[in-house]
Amino acid sequence: QVQLQESGPGLVKPSQTLSLTCTVSGGSISSGSYYWSWIRQPAGKGLEWIGRMHTRGSTNNNPSLKSRVVISVDTSKNQFSLKLYSVTAADTAVYYCARGVTGDFDIWGQGTMVTVSS
Amino acid sequence: QSVLTQPPSASGTPGQRVTISCSGSSSNIGSNSVYWYQQLPGTAPKLLIYRNNQRPSGVPDRFSGSKSGTSASLAISGLRSEDEADYYCAAWDDSLSGVVFGGGTKLTVL
Repeated sequence: QVQLQESGPGLVKPSQTLSLTCTVSGGSISSGSYYWSWIRQPAGKGLEWIGRMHTRGSTNNNPSLKSRVVISVDTSKNQFSLKLYSVTAADTAVYYCARGVTGDFDIWGQGTMVTVSS
Repeated sequence: QSVLTQPPSASGTPGQRVTISCSGSSSNIGSNSVYWYQQLPGTAPKLLIYRNNQRPSGVPDRFSGSKSGTSASLAISGLRSEDEADYYCAAWDDSLSGVVFGGGTKLTVL
């Protein structure tokens, strides 16, 4: 069955760029009409959707993150990635990658903790 | 401040039935499907209900969802200790062109 695994640095300095990758295994990232999303959760707080991308290029991002977010897909590697620019301490969270379309996230990665600190 | 509003906490005793509400607006719940997630401590959320009231394979029928207008509810019957978790509702928001979540409800089994 399809599985997702996040990877990337666990510590990022303020004002720098947070970069994470989600590797899809057990199936092709290009199959079906799925979107691939990033979701985050600060410690002790709720879930926040960051954005999504389809392998055909369609993307949507959370307006609250404005233009700081870029999500991309690499079909040759069966991966999709997140870049979050100009991070602050408020971006410290567990970051999840997930498969879904309009909120129906049926497959999640295990999550990766990212701390923004100097 | 979450776009979807949930009570921060709920509780019940084993065997009881509990409901968790999720309130939204015409741009999200009022015009799109609602999804429910269960998050056990230290784990990723798990899809519990999709398309308002459908259960994925493997989810016990003790869990049920409903929607009316701009509100939705998750009901858990025959409450068990292992149901103690955080529960989140989610929906697509047409105005924001994105997914919105509720703030989450912490369910305690007394």
